[in-house]
Amino acid sequence: GAGVSQSPSNKVTEKGKDVELRCDPISGHTALYWYRQSLGQGLEFLIYFQGNSAPDKSGLPSDRFSAERTGGSVSTLTIQRTQQEDSAVYLCASSAGLVGELFFGEGSRLTVL
Amino acid sequence: EDQVTQSPEALRLQEGESSSLNCSYTVSGLRGLFWYRQDPGKGPEFLFTLYSAGEEKEKERLKATLTKKESFLHITAPKPEDSATYLCAVDTGRRALTFGSGTRLQVQP
Repeated sequence: GAGVSQSPSNKVTEKGKDVELRCDPISGHTALYWYRQSLGQGLEFLIYFQGNSAPDKSGLPSDRFSAERTGGSVSTLTIQRTQQEDSAVYLCASSAGLVGELFFGEGSRLTVL
Repeated sequence: EDQVTQSPEALRLQEGESSSLNCSYTVSGLRGLFWYRQDPGKGPEFLFTLYSAGEEKEKERLKATLTKKESFLHITAPKPEDSATYLCAVDTGRRALTFGSGTRLQVQP
């Protein structure tokens, strides 16, 4: 598949547990974004990676959220000590460089009980 | 703070009934405005980029236009397969796009 791949597609966890969400971008895309979408809401920016530059973490809602991108490719978003308000769809997108023309994965739906 | 507001929140049309979706923005320095389509359970799919007031882009039954304060997505003679949520987003030079909350369009046969 040539698209952005995310896993897991669905994750149910208990409050207080840690979760990891994975994103495999389109090969050759240097930019990678994480967004969060709550029910009926728009997309909320979380973090942005561009090549070897320091990531833009300005959208992370708390220090429980972190992300890394290894080898300029696969990215992992980690949420520690999950809370019920973390329940949402987490979307990953990659871009070849054209601002605004993002290619999104199908998302990881997180439910915190 | 950059703001993007979309209206209406939801729109129900009969097949063939043309209409327009609105995206108004309040930003400091617009570099580009983007329209996306999102189907249920899927990620958004890129449709159009608009850079300056007066610009128009077309794709099949969709036409996007841009003024200094808002953008419209015109849907001509829609079909049921056009049913989706349509999102607009703006680029103001920050690295991330700011998205509106979307218009949920339902086209009934």
